[in-house]
Amino acid sequence: QSVLTQPPSASGTPGQRVTISCSGSSSNIGSNTVNWYQQLPGTAPKFLIYSDDRRPSGVPDRFSGSKSGTSASLAISGLQSEDEADYYCAAWDASLNGPVFGGGTKLTVL
Amino acid sequence: EVQLVESGGGLVQPGRSLRLSCAAAGFTFDNYAMHWVRQGPGKGLEWVSGLSWNGISVGYADSVKGRFTVSRDNAKNSLYLQMNSLRPEDTAFYYCARDRSSGWSPGDFDRWGQGTLVTVSS
Repeated sequence: QSVLTQPPSASGTPGQRVTISCSGSSSNIGSNTVNWYQQLPGTAPKFLIYSDDRRPSGVPDRFSGSKSGTSASLAISGLQSEDEADYYCAAWDASLNGPVFGGGTKLTVL
Repeated sequence: EVQLVESGGGLVQPGRSLRLSCAAAGFTFDNYAMHWVRQGPGKGLEWVSGLSWNGISVGYADSVKGRFTVSRDNAKNSLYLQMNSLRPEDTAFYYCARDRSSGWSPGDFDRWGQGTLVTVSS
């Protein structure tokens, strides 16, 4: 059971906008910033979003993050087939004294 | 180009030990904290351990505390994970990951290696 809660799956058609939610508590998302990672099939995770809504260089602006209270969201606009991947949220947890991940959301592009 | 290459994985019996290595290249290794993150077969990501740039500040997940020890050799641009008293539930791909900063908290993993598989089974 992951500390952060994500839906196990999400889907969309090319060109659509999809969002993936990440729910936590006051000890993690509620008091610390959220990161998002993208894991393409058979590859290592990739740094996608940090500090709630910032994109590392090279990440397309189709990807955006937001946070409100103890929940965060990843939005992908103009969905493309190459976006099909697993997406993980993560945040520092003050109670556990370490970073924690969500269980991951498998995004399917129909 | 940043490169992180893990090695040392393999099949090991429960209760035995294994040492993983991560060779870094393409950046100034001692400017950054480093981490180990694992992923069980078909499962999600789990942070294992983090180490500050100078090796002084360290953190471990509760699931490995007392059994795993992380270390680094900045002269060799290398990160290590000594894993003792291994259990079947430690079976996973182990990724070496660079932190965005010199401290290991809050844990921003901006570069990842390709991982090395550890299988704990009799």
